[in-house]
Amino acid sequence: GQSLEQPSEVTAVEGAIVQINCTYQTSGFYGLSWYQQHDGGAPTFLSYNALDGLEETGRFSSFLSRSDSYGYLLLQELQMKDSASYFCAVRVETGGFKTIFGAGTRLFVKA
Amino acid sequence: DSGVTQTPKHLITATGQRVTLRCSPRSGDLSVYWYQQSLDQGLQFLIQYYNGEERAKGNILERFSAQQFPDLHSELNLSSLELGDSALYFCASSLAGVPTDTQYFGPGTRLTVL
Repeated sequence: GQSLEQPSEVTAVEGAIVQINCTYQTSGFYGLSWYQQHDGGAPTFLSYNALDGLEETGRFSSFLSRSDSYGYLLLQELQMKDSASYFCAVRVETGGFKTIFGAGTRLFVKA
Repeated sequence: DSGVTQTPKHLITATGQRVTLRCSPRSGDLSVYWYQQSLDQGLQFLIQYYNGEERAKGNILERFSAQQFPDLHSELNLSSLELGDSALYFCASSLAGVPTDTQYFGPGTRLTVL
């Protein structure tokens, strides 16, 4: 089957750096995405990695290692507004391209 | 605002009933995706359409069906509703329906089955 694992909760201080890990077991792996979702809101796309390495977009970076079936989202210079749930999601090709989401990591940013 | 619209915002109905959720994609996007988000199951991919044709199917129950119309809007039909169908239903759209596309999510429809 297809499965993703990410921590359920992470707490960090404003201004700090936090890393949210994601490991996956899938067949037909195509790429790894990250989404942010605030309470009561819709998921918002953050990043997509299809190849190994680090992708940087402002304060957010995402990393993928295909050989280790592992990725992470790095958030720098944390702000209170970064308090939200973060989902890793794999894109797989099994009878069409599908997106499978992890259970999400709830990030609490403290002052 | 992602540019994806969904109606209605909230829906309350009874077990056994049938409802239709509607989604309009962002201007220019050809692909539409439906997701279900519930507390116990998380965010689950249901189905994808591209330019009117079904492209991929996920964990969609047989009681659920969807279609994408020539004007590219999409509808998700849920029938014989059960208590467990209570969830947030999101529609997302993307330009070409390929894995490298960014998916833009609508605000969701909250369905409550009593």
